[in-house]
Amino acid sequence: GDSVTQMEGPVTLSEEAFLTINCTYTATGYPSLFWYVQYPGEGLQLLLKATKADDKGSNKGFEATYRKETTSFHLEKGSVQVSDSAVYFCALMENSGGGADGLTFGKGTHLIIQP
Amino acid sequence: DSGVTQTPKHLITATGQRVTLRCSPRSGDLSVYWYQQSLDQGLQFLIQYYNGEERAKGNILERFSAQQFPDLHSELNLSSLELGDSALYFCASSASPRRGGETQYFGPGTRLLVL
Repeated sequence: GDSVTQMEGPVTLSEEAFLTINCTYTATGYPSLFWYVQYPGEGLQLLLKATKADDKGSNKGFEATYRKETTSFHLEKGSVQVSDSAVYFCALMENSGGGADGLTFGKGTHLIIQP
Repeated sequence: DSGVTQTPKHLITATGQRVTLRCSPRSGDLSVYWYQQSLDQGLQFLIQYYNGEERAKGNILERFSAQQFPDLHSELNLSSLELGDSALYFCASSASPRRGGETQYFGPGTRLLVL
């Protein structure tokens, strides 16, 4: 079945550091890929998405590129802020076939940004 | 605020009991999804409804059931509760069940504690 693998952390960085959170996936078809963010005590918010190979999703300074050849969707940000501290989830949804419409999530990466 | 509401926010009950979690989707969204977030299993898709009908099942236990009503709100029923059912339960909604990157908007969740 489908699966998503991401580094679990915690990942601790200083403010203004460069961020990379790795995400790789296994899917039977050609999925859409998502990054969701969960702030303490809140639900999940969509951060960005990409629906086909070579698409780049971006939002709030975060970027991720859909790499079909490496089955990856790594999240990057050039300069992180304390307010970026949260748990980040990589997820996929199949685009075709008879499978469920639910998202398949990775375990989540806890990011801590220190001032 | 995603526009998805869930009640109650917290629920404490005993083993063997039954509880009902409620979700109201974003205005205009026809599809509702239920997810379970636990420390050991992570985020798992449970079940999806579209316009009142069950569309897809994920890792939902037979002790759990759901339904979507004509006003599109949804309820998740959990019965014969066990300690391992303690988790955060999220509801999400989307405009349609069309696959291919449809964004799901998440509610704040219901935290269930089974004692």
